[in-house]
Amino acid sequence: EGQLVESGGGLAQPGGSLRLSCAASGFTFNTYEMNWVRQAPGKGLEWISYVGSTGKTIYYADSVKGRFTISRDNAKNSLYLQMNYLRAEDTAIYYCTRDRGLRFDGDAFDIWGQGTMVTVSS
Amino acid sequence: EIVMTQSPATLPVSPGERATLSCRASQTISSNLAWYQQKPGQAPRLLIYGASTRATGIPARFSGSGSGTEFTLTIGSLQSEDFAVYYCQQYNHWPRTFGQGTKVEIK
Repeated sequence: EGQLVESGGGLAQPGGSLRLSCAASGFTFNTYEMNWVRQAPGKGLEWISYVGSTGKTIYYADSVKGRFTISRDNAKNSLYLQMNYLRAEDTAIYYCTRDRGLRFDGDAFDIWGQGTMVTVSS
Repeated sequence: EIVMTQSPATLPVSPGERATLSCRASQTISSNLAWYQQKPGQAPRLLIYGASTRATGIPARFSGSGSGTEFTLTIGSLQSEDFAVYYCQQYNHWPRTFGQGTKVEIK
């Protein structure tokens, strides 16, 4: 079936940095496209970034472009999100998600991690 | 950016009744639409993809329909475990966008 486990969340100051990790297991990680989705407290879902299976194709939401960097290490079955210049509005649960992988240029998200909480506050 | 609009925001339904949730896209997205269910304290779960195909393990009481800009999620006979928030999401264009959610609550 597959499993995703996020880590690295916590408290950061405005302007600070955090690096999130997502460990994948139970599926062939290097054949799947991956995403990060976040959810502010009490709010809806917001897609923030995508990376293709080889790491070459990357997209970002405007809200994080220039501040966040998505990457993956297929040898370690891991996905990452480097978050710089953090703002209060980045406070959210961050979910790692897997694309179903059966559609060119992206698909629905069929596996979600449990999420990791990021709080940006002084 | 494609705006996804869900209605209603809250849907009171009695157990055993049918629930109908709507999702509208600001531009055509073909059938590249997914529905997710989220319960409190849990990650979302994929219910429907391709507008009408149930994901693995999803009960038959969940059905999706529509294409283009208008989509519907129907829950045939609500069970206690179905009371949750439901989100639609388009994956036809970048950036991916979600609707704001419909909360299905006990009437």
